[in-house]
Amino acid sequence: SAVISQKPSRDICQRGTSLTIQCQVDSQVTMMFWYRQQPGQSLTLIATANQGSEATYESGFVIDKFPISRPNLTFSTLTVSNMSPEDSSIYLCSVEGSRLQETQYFGPGTRLLVL
Amino acid sequence: GNSVTQMEGPVTLSEEAFLTINCTYTATGYPSLFWYVQYPGEGLQLLLKATKADDKGSNKGFEATYRKETTSFHLEKGSVQVSDSAVYFCALNHQAGTALIFGKGTTLSVSS
Repeated sequence: SAVISQKPSRDICQRGTSLTIQCQVDSQVTMMFWYRQQPGQSLTLIATANQGSEATYESGFVIDKFPISRPNLTFSTLTVSNMSPEDSSIYLCSVEGSRLQETQYFGPGTRLLVL
Repeated sequence: GNSVTQMEGPVTLSEEAFLTINCTYTATGYPSLFWYVQYPGEGLQLLLKATKADDKGSNKGFEATYRKETTSFHLEKGSVQVSDSAVYFCALNHQAGTALIFGKGTTLSVSS
């Protein structure tokens, strides 16, 4: 498996502000993903974080709202920009790679509440 | 397209009861199938997986068998404990390196 950490673990933010979430994994991985879990819901993929190039976004998610960085094979950030109460969710990163037998492992999540 | 359907919850059981959570899928080709568990206030943990037909995944007393003929991957446990109370997600991955497709999740509540 993989040891994945996320910072912050939770935050309360004011509308109109931005928050950057960090995801760190203990070894190099091929793939890193960002998911959103709205209250009481399942997980929805926001984007795939590509190392050295722009992230690949799913339908309904745009780079201006959710800019993503991936400077190396162990680290990625997701920014939630110009937040509104509708952005209140759990944001989770996941990782996958050949060493992980093509299985995705998840970080503990960042619980965001926007007032 | 690919999709996962789970039985609606919540599921409420007494300790030591038998558990079944149904999961069926629609997919082209031969996806890998997973069960993840989310304990209150935590992220998702991989519970078990199966990568080909007739494979049985097992962990912590939970089992699920990849049934291609019925496109199912039902989760079972013979005797649940209070500590099994959580949300359980069935998921598929049709290709390594792509996003998981999740079911809606099933909440399990076990009382003593």
